[in-house]
Amino acid sequence: SQTIHQWPATLVQPVGSPLSLECTVEGTSNPNLYWYRQAAGRGLQLLFYSVGIGQISSEVPQNLSASRPQDRQFILSSKKLLLSDSGFYLCAWRRLAGLNEQFFGPGTRLTVL
Amino acid sequence: DQQVKQNSPSLSVQEGRISILNCDYTNSMFDYFLWYKKYPAEGPTFLISISSIKDKNEDGRFTVFLNKSAKHLSLHIVPSQPGDSAVYFCAASEKYGGATNKLIFGTGTLLAVQP
Repeated sequence: SQTIHQWPATLVQPVGSPLSLECTVEGTSNPNLYWYRQAAGRGLQLLFYSVGIGQISSEVPQNLSASRPQDRQFILSSKKLLLSDSGFYLCAWRRLAGLNEQFFGPGTRLTVL
Repeated sequence: DQQVKQNSPSLSVQEGRISILNCDYTNSMFDYFLWYKKYPAEGPTFLISISSIKDKNEDGRFTVFLNKSAKHLSLHIVPSQPGDSAVYFCAASEKYGGATNKLIFGTGTLLAVQP
């Protein structure tokens, strides 16, 4: 069966510090991968998606970037965090072909102070 | 512009009764719809889906209804249980099985099932 991992589970960072969140998927090959953010009281906003190694599409202009160095690894980064980057970050995967269900990881709670 | 709308931020239902969660969309190109359930501090869990070629899909206590002409879908939970208390997100997709599939999510409805 497929499993998706995210770490860390929680993170408190000062403004201006760098960020690296990691997501890995097990039990599947060549998945589509996604990064979402849920801000307080808001829905899920798609930040980035990737259809393959090194292929990243950005949905909204922002202070964040994403990379996919391996088939089942997706990384969310920032060089300098802003207060507005606080939120709950979710990674998701989907099979490349077939139905559109996406499956989510446990999430990372990021607080920028 | 919010393409997927869940106009009720919260809903309270008695245990054993029916819960009805509603969702509206504006993009007529959406052809696949999903419901997710989310507990606090956890990732959303896929619940049930429906394609635009159907108007109803049932899975145990959960049924999703789709009204394409009204651009409206609803999730029915019967009977409701306290463990169903969570935030429910509606999502829509523009491309069925397309390689660059993206889901557009609503803002969620918090369901509270009272014992």
